[in-house]
Amino acid sequence: SQTIHQWPATLVQPVGSPLSLECTVEGTSNPNLYWYRQAAGRGLQLLFYSVGIGQISSEVPQNLSASRPQDRQFILSSKKLLLSDSGFYLCAWKPPGYEPQHFGDGTRLSIL
Amino acid sequence: GESVGLHLPTLSVQEGDNSIINCAYSNSASDYFIWYKQESGKGPQFIIDIRSNMDKRQGQRVTVLLNKTVKHLSLQIAATQPGDSAVYFCAERPGTYKYIFGTGTRLKVLA
Repeated sequence: SQTIHQWPATLVQPVGSPLSLECTVEGTSNPNLYWYRQAAGRGLQLLFYSVGIGQISSEVPQNLSASRPQDRQFILSSKKLLLSDSGFYLCAWKPPGYEPQHFGDGTRLSIL
Repeated sequence: GESVGLHLPTLSVQEGDNSIINCAYSNSASDYFIWYKQESGKGPQFIIDIRSNMDKRQGQRVTVLLNKTVKHLSLQIAATQPGDSAVYFCAERPGTYKYIFGTGTRLKVLA
């Protein structure tokens, strides 16, 4: 069966520090991969998605970036975090076609 | 864990009653719809989906209804249980890869 791993579960970072969140999927190949951010009281905001290795589509201009160095690995990064980057970050995957996305358990990011 | 949905609309239902959660979607080109359940501190969990060529689909204790004329989606939960308490999101697929999520509804089950 397919599983998605996302880490760390919680992270506290100072303003201006770098960020790297990692997401890996097991049990499938060539998944579509997604990064979302969820602020308290809000829905899910799509940040990036990828349909293949090295292919990244950005949905929201910001100081975050994403990379997909391997088929089942998706990384969310920042060179310099802002206070507004605080939130709950979720990674998701889906197979091609009319299929639901499957989410990891998220990373709670607090910027101090 | 993460406090999801501090200011979300809330539906309070007595245990054992049926729940109906509604969602208005935005894009008339959307051809696939999904309901998710999110518990505090966790990622959304898939509940049920429906394609636009259907108007009703049933799962275990859940039913999704789709009205394309008014761009409305609903999730019905039969015999609501305390474990159903969570935030529920609908999602629509307007294109091949992107999904758009609603703002969510908090379901509270009263004992």
